[in-house]
Amino acid sequence: SAVISQKPSRDICQRGTSLTIQCQVDSQVTMMFWYRQQPGQSLTLIATANQGSEATYESGFVIDKFPISRPNLTFSTLTVSNMSPEDSSIYLCSLSSSPRDTQYFGPGTRLTVL
Amino acid sequence: GNSVTQMEGPVTLSEEAFLTINCTYTATGYPSLFWYVQYPGEGLQLLLKATKADDKGSNKGFEATYRKETTSFHLEKGSVQVSDSAVYFCALRYNQGGKLIFGQGTELSVKP
Repeated sequence: SAVISQKPSRDICQRGTSLTIQCQVDSQVTMMFWYRQQPGQSLTLIATANQGSEATYESGFVIDKFPISRPNLTFSTLTVSNMSPEDSSIYLCSLSSSPRDTQYFGPGTRLTVL
Repeated sequence: GNSVTQMEGPVTLSEEAFLTINCTYTATGYPSLFWYVQYPGEGLQLLLKATKADDKGSNKGFEATYRKETTSFHLEKGSVQVSDSAVYFCALRYNQGGKLIFGQGTELSVKP
């Protein structure tokens, strides 16, 4: 399985600011995903990030709020923009090396917005 | 639409008890099915998976069988340990697109 790292591991931010979360993997992967896990809840997919194309967002998530970059096959960033307390969640990067492969998750970034 | 439903938690068991966490799904086609586990303070880990009907996934004493006729993927373990205390998520995934659809999670607490 691939090794996935995320930075930062946690952060406390002020309302109205933005935070960029980085996801680095140790091998080239085709598909990367960003999920959100709100306190006490399940995981919800924010968007799918494929290298060389724009991210595909799920219903309820928009690019202006969660811009994503995917500059190469081992790296992606998710920005949480203009944050509010409702954005307090764990944000997880996930990868799949092909549509049939198992999906693995990074350790997550725990975000608290005051 | 496609969805996953798990039994509600928390589930509290004594050590060495038998565990079943129910999971049913609604989907078109033939998704792959997964169980993920999240131990306290840790990230999400794949526990086991099954990719076609009648497949049995197993790992660390846990098992789940892909039952197409009942659209279920129940998680079982014959004898739980305190270290199994965690939140368990059932999920499905299609070959196309690659995204996972998760159930709401079931918290398991095992007492000594």
